[in-house]
Amino acid sequence: EAGVAQSPRYKIIEKRQSVAFWCNPISGHATLYWYQQILGQGPKLLIQFQNNGVVDDSQLPKDRFSAERLKGVDSTLKIQPAKLEDSAVYLCASTSLRQSGEYGYTFGSGTRLTVV
Amino acid sequence: SQQGEEDPQALSIQEGENATMNCSYKTSINNLQWYRQNSGRGLVHLILIRSNEREKHSGRLRVTLDTSKKSSSLLITASRAADTASYFCATGNFQGGKLIFGQGTELSVKP
Repeated sequence: EAGVAQSPRYKIIEKRQSVAFWCNPISGHATLYWYQQILGQGPKLLIQFQNNGVVDDSQLPKDRFSAERLKGVDSTLKIQPAKLEDSAVYLCASTSLRQSGEYGYTFGSGTRLTVV
Repeated sequence: SQQGEEDPQALSIQEGENATMNCSYKTSINNLQWYRQNSGRGLVHLILIRSNEREKHSGRLRVTLDTSKKSSSLLITASRAADTASYFCATGNFQGGKLIFGQGTELSVKP
C-alpha cells in the first residue's frame, strides 16, 4: 500500500511570510496527525483529526497556525506569518483503529521548513 | 510537552554488539511504541507494547515494559551498521490517541 505522502519536501521562506504543507494519508485511515519536530528533539503533536473533525489542537499556536482536513482525506497545515522558531520538520501521520492497536502510526517523510 | 526521557541520549557500538535504550514516562498509558528515524526521514514504527504486556519480541528487537516504574527498554541484538538511526519511544493514553514522544536516543553502529 502507498505510504503517507507529504509535500513539499523542503521549503525556505523569510520570516513573516506564509507557507502551506500538504498531506495525503493512507487510504482508509480516519485519523490524521500533524507533528512538529525541532532539530534534536522528539516530535510534538500540533493537531489530530478524526475524519474531518478536530480531536486535539491544544498545542497548535492558533494565532499563526491553521489546519484543515477537507472531506476527511487530505490535509493542509498553514503558518501565517512564520517566525524563526518555526524552523522544523513537519510530519504528517495517519492510522486506523485496527492499525493503531498493533502497528502504530504511519508517518510521511516530512517537510523541512527553514525560516530565515 | 515531552512525556519522558530517553537514556542514553547517544550510543555508539560495534557491529554485532547489542544495543539497549531506555525510556521513562510520567503518566499512566495505554500503550508504548518505539520508532526509528533515519537522518532527514520520517519515523518508522518498530514495535508496540500494551500496558498489560511485560515483554514483546519482533525479529532482533525485544521490548520490555514496567508500568510500576513507568519505564521501558528496547534491545536490539546483533546490531548492524544499517541500524544507525535515532530511536524514539512514544506513549499513548488510548488506542488511536495522540502519541507523546521522548527526546530520542541516537544510535551509531560502526562496521
